[in-house]
Amino acid sequence: QVQLQESGPGLVKSSQTLSLTCTVSGDSITSGSFYWTWIRQPAGKGLEWIGRIYISGDSNYNPSLKSRVTMSIDTSNNQFSLDLSSVTAADTAVYYCARDACFNGVCRNGMDVWGQGTKVTVSS
Amino acid sequence: DVVMTQSPLSLPVTLGQTASISCRSSQSLVYSDGNTYLNWYQQRPGQSPRRLIHQVSNRDPGVPDRFSGSGSGTDFTLRIYGVEAEDVGLYYCMQGTHWPQYTFGQGTKLEIK
Repeated sequence: QVQLQESGPGLVKSSQTLSLTCTVSGDSITSGSFYWTWIRQPAGKGLEWIGRIYISGDSNYNPSLKSRVTMSIDTSNNQFSLDLSSVTAADTAVYYCARDACFNGVCRNGMDVWGQGTKVTVSS
Repeated sequence: DVVMTQSPLSLPVTLGQTASISCRSSQSLVYSDGNTYLNWYQQRPGQSPRRLIHQVSNRDPGVPDRFSGSGSGTDFTLRIYGVEAEDVGLYYCMQGTHWPQYTFGQGTKLEIK
């Protein structure tokens, strides 16, 4: 059974870059037809989809974050990563990585497997 | 951009009763392939979200059959029959039809009376 685990600094200074990694276990990140995804949730608030990346490198980003987001994939370590630049207090949240499965070439069914989440605080 | 609106935002329910959560989209969620990409997620306190339903009414593996999704076009409903204590938490709808992003509803908090 595939499992995902986020890792990275829990504290990032304002204006710097937030960098997180998600390690996939239980299956190869290259097997199947999946997008690998990041979602975040500020304390006491709802879910916000950040973006996703395919094994080919194809990616989709939330337009509201697109200018600050970069995602990458590392097949040798079965990991994918998120970089969010120029962070502010508004970026303080729990960040989740997740899997988004494609069926018959359509990749719109959302996230079916989630990591446990990692809390990131942006300090001034 | 498509907006997802859930109601109610807070839902007190008696154990054993039925809970109904509504989700409305600002645009039809029927995609060009004929499918409707509307999901429901459950987030228990302190846990990650879990997908319950995809494409309006398809339960994910391991989801009890007392969870039922229905609807079409712009109006969708999640019903939980025979609410149990373990059902307490937040419920989100999410659309995948309109790009360039997935969009969530605000969330509905289910609690036991």
